[in-house]
Amino acid sequence: LAKTTQPISMDSYEGQEVNITCSHNNIATNDYITWYQQFPSQGPRFIIQGYKTKVTNEVASLFIPADRKSSTLSLPRVSLSDTAVYYCLVGPISSGSARQLTFGSGTQLTVLP
Amino acid sequence: EPEVTQTPSHQVTQMGQEVILRCVPISNHLYFYWYRQILGQKVEFLVSFYNNEISEKSEIFDDQFSVERPDGSNFTLKIRSTKLEDSAMYFCASRASREVYNEQFFGPGTRLTVL
Repeated sequence: LAKTTQPISMDSYEGQEVNITCSHNNIATNDYITWYQQFPSQGPRFIIQGYKTKVTNEVASLFIPADRKSSTLSLPRVSLSDTAVYYCLVGPISSGSARQLTFGSGTQLTVLP
Repeated sequence: EPEVTQTPSHQVTQMGQEVILRCVPISNHLYFYWYRQILGQKVEFLVSFYNNEISEKSEIFDDQFSVERPDGSNFTLKIRSTKLEDSAMYFCASRASREVYNEQFFGPGTRLTVL
């Protein structure tokens, strides 16, 4: 599984756009990039997943450059309720083994009023 | 929206006692998981379960742990003889498809406190 590196923490203010970057230099051809969000004392929640270029859903956007060695989760106009830990996960989508997700330390995002 | 549920939300037990943590995965999901998170630390994989058997387990999942899907809806994690270091949040998750890195749905967790 590809090793990922994220900032330990970030602060932002309400209404700002937040970009969290994840480095994954040894990403493999079959690997996808997936982001999860975790609030205190809750289970992680899937946010977005992508393979290349840009993916957007109602919650966030995911930007992946051509070399795929990094990715950026973009949260538009954050609110206080977006304060959480954000995890970047990189791994293969396969039709075989039911393998686990590997969570790193994540990025603690704190949104300030 | 369908969701994974877990009971109890908080379990307090004495060291050496057995505990059973219960989960009800999303009804049409086929793959089930247990994770744990010690306070302030990473979410760690324990075990995956498919077709009524364990698919994979981590080194944490030793002989004192077992999982079961007793009735087609519940998915349980049993710890036979709890230790102080078993104190953690335990999360159940389920997934519909065979694609591994597709979305896993996590439950709200059970906080286990071993005294």
